[in-house]
Amino acid sequence: AAGVIQSPRHLIKEKRETATLKCYPIPRHDTVYWYQQGPGQDPQFLISFYEKMQSDKGSIPDRFSAQQFSDYHSELNMSSLELGDSALYFCASSQTRNFYEQYFGPGTRLTVT
Amino acid sequence: EDQVTQSPEALRLQEGESSSLNCSYTVSGLRGLFWYRQDPGKGPEFLFTLYSAGEEKEKERLKATLTKKESFLHITAPKPEDSATYLCAVQVIGSNYKLTFGKGTLLTVNP
Repeated sequence: AAGVIQSPRHLIKEKRETATLKCYPIPRHDTVYWYQQGPGQDPQFLISFYEKMQSDKGSIPDRFSAQQFSDYHSELNMSSLELGDSALYFCASSQTRNFYEQYFGPGTRLTVT
Repeated sequence: EDQVTQSPEALRLQEGESSSLNCSYTVSGLRGLFWYRQDPGKGPEFLFTLYSAGEEKEKERLKATLTKKESFLHITAPKPEDSATYLCAVQVIGSNYKLTFGKGTLLTVNP
């Protein structure tokens, strides 16, 4: 079965640089979620989109922005990167008629040096 | 504030030694409780969703149950390949479907 695709899988950036993470949800899934997982931590919700509109916002820094495009893929844009932004970033997708069960992608490991 | 607490933080079992992981929650209104398995450096793998007290679901050696205050993940006759971190998460009514996770239980099964 098709899964959530994330790219790139690994990304190394320097402080103050910008990063863009991409997420391709499972076909026919209408909701995308972004989570951040620091080392040894549980995933923390950042932001979600339903049918290309932002539906909820969590602890996402103002330096981060995200959007969902007409083909349902989503991008997380991160500017003025800080050392503390180093983490695993997961995208998950769900389908309204399937009770919003969220399926996660493999993640993007961002390292800020 | 919605809270999810998992115990124990770590559990070491011998192959074949059955046990249970606990997830207790305090939320304003539960829409669903989710169990995931996560291997190091990988994305959480969906296991179960439970929606109402008394509900039970099974998958291979795993069985999840739900009460009004907690959920249990029972592991019967575990194998070394069951070693992973097991995450519990809640979806709260009115939260637009985001998941709030517990800290997880690191399970190690020795051969």
